[in-house]
Amino acid sequence: AQSVTQLDSQVPVFEEAPVELRCNYSSSVSVYLFWYVQYPNQGLQLLLKYLSGSTLVKGINGFEAEFNKSQTSFHLRKPSVHISDTAEYFCAVITGGGNKLTFGTGTQLKVEL
Amino acid sequence: DAGITQSPRYKITETGRQVTLMCHQTWSHSYMFWYRQDLGHGLRLIYYSAAADITDKGEVSDGYVVSRSKTENFPLTLESATRSQTSVYFCASSEWRRETQYFGPGTRLLVL
Repeated sequence: AQSVTQLDSQVPVFEEAPVELRCNYSSSVSVYLFWYVQYPNQGLQLLLKYLSGSTLVKGINGFEAEFNKSQTSFHLRKPSVHISDTAEYFCAVITGGGNKLTFGTGTQLKVEL
Repeated sequence: DAGITQSPRYKITETGRQVTLMCHQTWSHSYMFWYRQDLGHGLRLIYYSAAADITDKGEVSDGYVVSRSKTENFPLTLESATRSQTSVYFCASSEWRRETQYFGPGTRLLVL
């Protein structure tokens, strides 16, 4: 069964600093990878996704992620964060033949002044 | 265009009662999903549906029932609510299984 690991449950960072949120998955077959963001008291919305092609994926709000097949990782990065980026971020994976999206446990990003 | 809506947004019920959470989408997406979100667990899939009248279990389906008689609606029923079912429930839809899932605003359920 596929699984997703987000090792950092909380990441505090100062405004305008860079940030990286880590995501590792366990699957030996082809995968499709997603990052979703959840603002307080809201549903999830897509930040970016990797389906195929270039391993560097750019998303909304200045975020990007890099698919690394050899390390089974899909880390999310932003070069300069803003207070408005404070939210919970979820990594998710679906295998090529699967129907179900598996989510990580989430990383709470807290941006401080 | 409302997109995907859930009702009620908040619900308090008692142990043993039957509760139905509603989900409605206006895009005619084929796939619909129900998740529960609990601290430390992220989102876990309860049930999903690939089309009207086609449903399948997720990883935490015990105690839940779904139906999908129309493409746009996907109600989730807790047959006899238990305290362990206190959670935030999210409905989502997608055009195809590998595509982006669009989430509703969630229903906060408290079982006393």
